[in-house]
This record gives sequence, C-alpha cells and structure tokens, in this order.
Amino acid sequence: SYELTQPPSVSVSPGQTARITCSGDALPKQYAYWYQQKPGQAPVLVIYKDSERPSGIPERFSGSSSGTTVTLTISGVQAEDEADYYCQSADSSGTYHVFGTGTKVTVL
Amino acid sequence: QVQLVQSGAEVKKPGASVKVSCKASGYTFTSYDINWVRQATGQGLEWMGWMNPNSGNTGYAQKFQGRVTMTRNTSISTAYMELSSLRSEDTAVYYCARGQEGFDPWGQGTLVTVSS
Repeated sequence: SYELTQPPSVSVSPGQTARITCSGDALPKQYAYWYQQKPGQAPVLVIYKDSERPSGIPERFSGSSSGTTVTLTISGVQAEDEADYYCQSADSSGTYHVFGTGTKVTVL
Repeated sequence: QVQLVQSGAEVKKPGASVKVSCKASGYTFTSYDINWVRQATGQGLEWMGWMNPNSGNTGYAQKFQGRVTMTRNTSISTAYMELSSLRSEDTAVYYCARGQEGFDPWGQGTLVTVSS
C-alpha cells in the first residue's frame, strides 16, 4: 500500500523556522495537503494543493513541492504552533487517500 | 458557517457493529464528498473511505473493504459510517470531513470503544 513518510519530530525555538517534509512516490502526480492537530481537537487544514493557504490560516504557514517531497514551512514559529502535523495525498491513481505518519512540532 | 456535527460516543462489544452519523450544515450537502478518518489513541490519522452524497458512490480503503459501509440521507443532510465485526483494534476516534481540495472542515469526532 502507498505510504507517505514524515520525520517523527521537529524542535524549533520561538521566532525560528520549522520545516516538515513528506515523501511519497506519487507526490509528483498528486496534490498534497497539510493538517495541524492539537491535543484533543480535530485536525485543521493549513495548506491545500501543495502551496495554497485557506482563509484564516496565518501567512507564516507555507507549502512547497519538489519531486517526491513536499514541505510545510512555518516561519517565525509561535508557541501556539506546537502541534502534530500530517500531510495527506492520494495514490498515483487518485483512488485512495493516505495520511503521512505525522510530525510532532515542539516549540522550545 | 460550514459545520459537521457527529453523533455521541459509543461502547460496543467485539463482533458488534457501530453506526456513526455526521450532520452537515451551512452548505449544500450534495455538492461535496464526505470522507471518514479514524485515529486510535496516541496514533496517527487513518483514511477509511469517501462517499459522494449526490450519487451515493463510495470508495473504501482496502483495509476496511467488506467491513465498512458509508451511506447518506440527503433529506436531513446526514452521512453515516457503519463498521461491522468490531474488534478491540477498532477502538478509536472517528471523524467525518468534507472533501474538496483537502478535508475541511472536520466533525468533532466520535469515540468508539470496543470492549468485552
């Protein structure tokens, strides 16, 4: 089955930049989406179609794509950004959706 | 505002079935897919499948094929996910999410506990 691989954890100091990668063979063909999940809450979409930001999501969240890897960048990290982040995409046929393994972002 | 409201927590015995509902409001229910995602405690997100509320067409993750059924009642803008032959490993929070250029928004989640 298709898999998306993320680093388990990323640590960053306030005001610095956090980068979270997501790797998958079908990413050159399928859009990626990113979600933020805080403890006890439902996930929230923060990036769609690789690099688009939904309304209401701060500008410090951005997304990019290069080959089989997509990246979520949080510029000027704030304490409130501490959360789990998941990428999501589809297999090469577009039939099955899949989530990445998840990355815990810790703000030091 | 666009909102998905799910039914309450359930406790089931192994081998039983559970049916979770997801009521949509603030948009045209038949215009967007509904996806179902689950999350076991301390674990990641797991996609289960999707349903087109207009046609009723569905697509299920291979892991759940044969055990999951997704349906809808358009008259009350509500989607349903039924999972059968429950086992302890199915204990998780189950979410519905509107699917259109990403899953947004999500329901509040429904805890399903499978225990003898």
